[in-house]
Amino acid sequence: KAGVTQTPRYLIKTRGQQVTLSCSPISGHRSVSWYQQTPGQGLQFLFEYFSETQRNKGNFPGRFSGRQFSNSRSEMNVSTLELGDSALYLCASSLGPGGDTDTQYFGPGTRLTVL
Amino acid sequence: AQSVAQPEDQVNVAEGNPLTVKCTYSVSGNPYLFWYVQYPNRGLQFLLKYITGDNLVKGSYGFEAEFNKSQTSFHLKKPSALVSDSALYFCAVRDPWGMGNTGKLIFGQGTTLQVKP
Repeated sequence: KAGVTQTPRYLIKTRGQQVTLSCSPISGHRSVSWYQQTPGQGLQFLFEYFSETQRNKGNFPGRFSGRQFSNSRSEMNVSTLELGDSALYLCASSLGPGGDTDTQYFGPGTRLTVL
Repeated sequence: AQSVAQPEDQVNVAEGNPLTVKCTYSVSGNPYLFWYVQYPNRGLQFLLKYITGDNLVKGSYGFEAEFNKSQTSFHLKKPSALVSDSALYFCAVRDPWGMGNTGKLIFGQGTTLQVKP
């Protein structure tokens, strides 16, 4: 099976712009989660989607949003970019609720640099 | 609130020696514990998990982890380190499904493992 794919791999934006990141989960996985990784804050949970519904949201401002499509693909959007949004954004997919052994598998990430 | 701690920012070992990367947790109820590894400019790769059962869990690439409930620890181990094991290692915890919880993972701050030839 193909793994989790994320596009683009690298992005450079300027302050005030907006950006959309895409994630395609492993085939058959219906849950997608997003995480932000920075040297200072480590890995922080952004949000989780299952069956096109946001099930959980981390402690991030409203500039961060996401959605999931009927094919389980997910996008996240960051509006009005700030310098502090520079980070590696990781997407993870899993089968979803119901299985205690459920494991999240991560994509390679999108490296966002805000200038 | 659930949390995990990795008390060491960096662990240095010589190739061929055993390695241990430490993780302690604080959860209410039974913990679901995970180890992931991250190589430079890559995403996280799943190594192993503890859900229930045997306290010694075996995972990928020869790694294993020991769950110790009394010490609330889940240390990652490998009998003989390789230079290629050098990477950033993360311990994580999540709530079990069925408690009204979602699959959110809470990560430790990470431990850099340096294996020297």
